[in-house]
Amino acid sequence: DAKTTQPTSMDCAEGRAANLPCNHSTISGNEYVYWYRQIHSQGPQYIIHGLKNNETNEMASLIITEDRKSSTLILPHATLRDTAVYYCIVRVAGTSGSRLTFGEGTQLTVNP
Amino acid sequence: EPEVTQTPSHQVTQMGQEVILRCVPISNHLYFYWYRQILGQKVEFLVSFYNNEISEKSEIFDDQFSVERPDGSNFTLKIRSTKLEDSAMYFCASSVGPGAGKGYTFGSGTRLTVV
Repeated sequence: DAKTTQPTSMDCAEGRAANLPCNHSTISGNEYVYWYRQIHSQGPQYIIHGLKNNETNEMASLIITEDRKSSTLILPHATLRDTAVYYCIVRVAGTSGSRLTFGEGTQLTVNP
Repeated sequence: EPEVTQTPSHQVTQMGQEVILRCVPISNHLYFYWYRQILGQKVEFLVSFYNNEISEKSEIFDDQFSVERPDGSNFTLKIRSTKLEDSAMYFCASSVGPGAGKGYTFGSGTRLTVV
């Protein structure tokens, strides 16, 4: 799986959009970008994933650059409960029998 | 929304003892996993399980570890002779199968403390 690079930490004001970047310059054509988050020692939680088109669901939006070398997870109206470590993971879809490789992630702190 | 259930939430055991961590995956999921997270460190993959056999395991998953699906609902991780360094949060996860669009669903974890 391709390696990803994320900032160690970010802050965001409650109610504002949180934009979390991820670099994955070595991504292959068949690799998807997945985002998970972990709220204080709870189990990781799936957020969203995409291949090359932008994606949106009830939790977040995912913007992938045209060259697919980077992406941004957007939480449109961050709340205090969105404070968590956010992980960007690149892997081939259709291999759900294989491992997820978690990096250090980005600690997002949403401030009142 | 369906959940992955793990029991117990916290287990304390003496070094050298055997422990069994239990998980009930989501009922229509076919792939099952164990991950662990030592305090302050990254989430690490241990093992994946499909069709009643291990499909992949990491270098952490040595002979001290084993997994089992004893019936149609439970998925267990056994550590035969616990060491101090086995102290960690252990997360069970499941997924519906290949091309799992929503990725994995993780349980809330079992905190294992070896004393």
